[in-house]
Amino acid sequence: AQSVTQLDSHVSVSEGTPVLLRCNYSSSYSPSLFWYVQHPNKGLQLLLKYTSAATLVKGINGFEAEFKKSETSFHLTKPSAHMSDAAEYFCVVSGGEGGSYIPTFGRGTSLIVHP
Amino acid sequence: GAVVSQHPSWVICKSGTSVKIECRSLDFQATTMFWYRQFPKQSLMLMATSNEGSKATYEQGVEKDKFLINHASLTLSTLTVTSAHPEDSSFYICSASVLSTNYGYTFGSGTRLTVV
Repeated sequence: AQSVTQLDSHVSVSEGTPVLLRCNYSSSYSPSLFWYVQHPNKGLQLLLKYTSAATLVKGINGFEAEFKKSETSFHLTKPSAHMSDAAEYFCVVSGGEGGSYIPTFGRGTSLIVHP
Repeated sequence: GAVVSQHPSWVICKSGTSVKIECRSLDFQATTMFWYRQFPKQSLMLMATSNEGSKATYEQGVEKDKFLINHASLTLSTLTVTSAHPEDSSFYICSASVLSTNYGYTFGSGTRLTVV
């Protein structure tokens, strides 16, 4: 079965410092991987996605993620955090088993940005 | 592009009544729509997957008679919470996708349901 593990439930950074949100996946097939952001009481917004093209994926708002098959990882990074980045971030895997495209969510990582 | 509109954004209803939540794909035809429930500070729990013109596939533990899903067209899916109770209070989110393209999943803005 496909699965995704977000290693940190909370990440706290100071404004202007780098952000690293970790995600590891497990999938029997070549997966598609996504990062979504959710602000309080809002729906999910797609930050970026990997679908077997370039392994370094650039997304919106300065975020990027690198697909590393050898490490089964898809960590999300940003060089400099902004206060508006404070939100919940979800790593999602799909396109795995038996042709199923039902997405599997990580538990989420809450990003806290201090002034 | 790829906008999903979900309505209402919030609703308060009395116990025993039914509530309908709509999810529309505005600029694309969604082969499949997903319905999720999210508890505070938790991840999204998949409730059901619906394909246009066929019955929804419910996840284990989700009562299909309580959470009625209709996907009558490629642009509209509805979730009806029947005979709502306070424990049904939650944040419900829909997602639409065109399968087989790894198009990605576009999410609605969510519906905050409060049952009093």
